[in-house]
Amino acid sequence: GEDVEQSLFLSVREGDSSVINCTYTDSSSTYLYWYKQEPGAGLQLLTYIFSNMDMKQDQRLTVLLNKKDKHLSLRIADTQTGDSAIYFCAEEDSSYKLIFGSGTRLLVRP
Amino acid sequence: DVKVTQSSRYLVKRTGEKVFLECVQDMDHENMFWYRQDPGLGLRLIYFSYDVKMKEKGDIPEGYSVSREKKERFSLILESASTNQTSMYLCASRPGLAQETQYFGPGTRLLVL
Repeated sequence: GEDVEQSLFLSVREGDSSVINCTYTDSSSTYLYWYKQEPGAGLQLLTYIFSNMDMKQDQRLTVLLNKKDKHLSLRIADTQTGDSAIYFCAEEDSSYKLIFGSGTRLLVRP
Repeated sequence: DVKVTQSSRYLVKRTGEKVFLECVQDMDHENMFWYRQDPGLGLRLIYFSYDVKMKEKGDIPEGYSVSREKKERFSLILESASTNQTSMYLCASRPGLAQETQYFGPGTRLLVL
């Protein structure tokens, strides 16, 4: 079945860039998403990329998609302490179901 | 703004109790979903619904059932709660169109003693 994998933890210094990586297996996915979850909260959509794109930029966020390697990354420029959260990568299958990775906990050190 | 609400933020129940988790969305979305979230496992889909009175099993439906009598409300039912159902439960809704995303509620943290 489909599978989405992420590393569990990333620690960066405030002001540096963060790069969170994700690999997926379903080559027919139309959309790939990044969600952010702050402590005690639900999931908030950060950004998404359509499968025929290879890059999308939205302010401090840059999403890169390598379809050949089934690799997705999220880069956060000028990382702030408020960016500390869990970040989930997800792919959408043909019946609108989302398959989530296990989440990457980002810790931003002052 | 899309709003997805869940009836409780925290819930404590005893083993064997029947538990109802309610989810309501106010945007006339066709699709609704129930997930559970456990550390290191991400979100796993329990059940989903494409429309009123319709339901489909997700990846981990065992021990759960659902009800969708009205479009805006999707209930998750634990017929006889067990300790391994202690988890964070997240509800989401989505319009029934392509190029749309799922909107999540704040979650219900359930502890089964």
